[in-house]
Amino acid sequence: GAGVSQSPSNKVTEKGKDVELRCDPISGHTALYWYRQSLGQGLEFLIYFQGNSAPDKSGLPSDRFSAERTGGSVSTLTIQRTQQEDSAVYLCASSRSGNSETQYFGPGTRLLVL
Amino acid sequence: AQSVSQHNHHVILSEAASLELGCNYSYGGTVNLFWYVQYPGQHLQLLLKYFSGDPLVKGIKGFEAEFIKSKFSFNLRKPSVQWSDTAEYFCAVNPTGGFKTIFGAGTRLFVKA
Repeated sequence: GAGVSQSPSNKVTEKGKDVELRCDPISGHTALYWYRQSLGQGLEFLIYFQGNSAPDKSGLPSDRFSAERTGGSVSTLTIQRTQQEDSAVYLCASSRSGNSETQYFGPGTRLLVL
Repeated sequence: AQSVSQHNHHVILSEAASLELGCNYSYGGTVNLFWYVQYPGQHLQLLLKYFSGDPLVKGIKGFEAEFIKSKFSFNLRKPSVQWSDTAEYFCAVNPTGGFKTIFGAGTRLFVKA
């Protein structure tokens, strides 16, 4: 595809349930990022993947959050036992490499935890 | 720790007014600096970026930004705004050669026609 795609675009879930958010980066981009944007807040860095290197998970807010990237392409962000404070827009971005290249953002997944 | 501060959360201007959005960052080493923009209903996209060289960088749609190292600032400017510039603007920084990008909280600009 031409750009970064994310699915679902919207997700409503009940507190305590697990959710999976998917990101398809631009073909050929080796770097992939996940961010969280809460209402009125900036983008909060969550996790970064670069090629086959170990991901930088330093931004994950708790052990309920995890992410994987299969085959260096598609990535899944999983939130276990969701809480109301997890409600936010989750953005994925990719870039050609990790070294300060322009990031291309997807449309985001809007998560609402009831 | 790195941080980015955007001075204004909301700005309202009339068309043809001049714009300056403030951005200051906190980081001890050399950095790369970015401004991203999100137009209503659209994805975040790059407006302009600074890596090295001329501290005055020009981006799309007539925007420019100046890196002032001594002030740790990277303010965004446009001499004459248009209604179509209504959007949210984010300043971002990462260390030179690095990957972890820190974003500011964003500034919502509304331009009155």
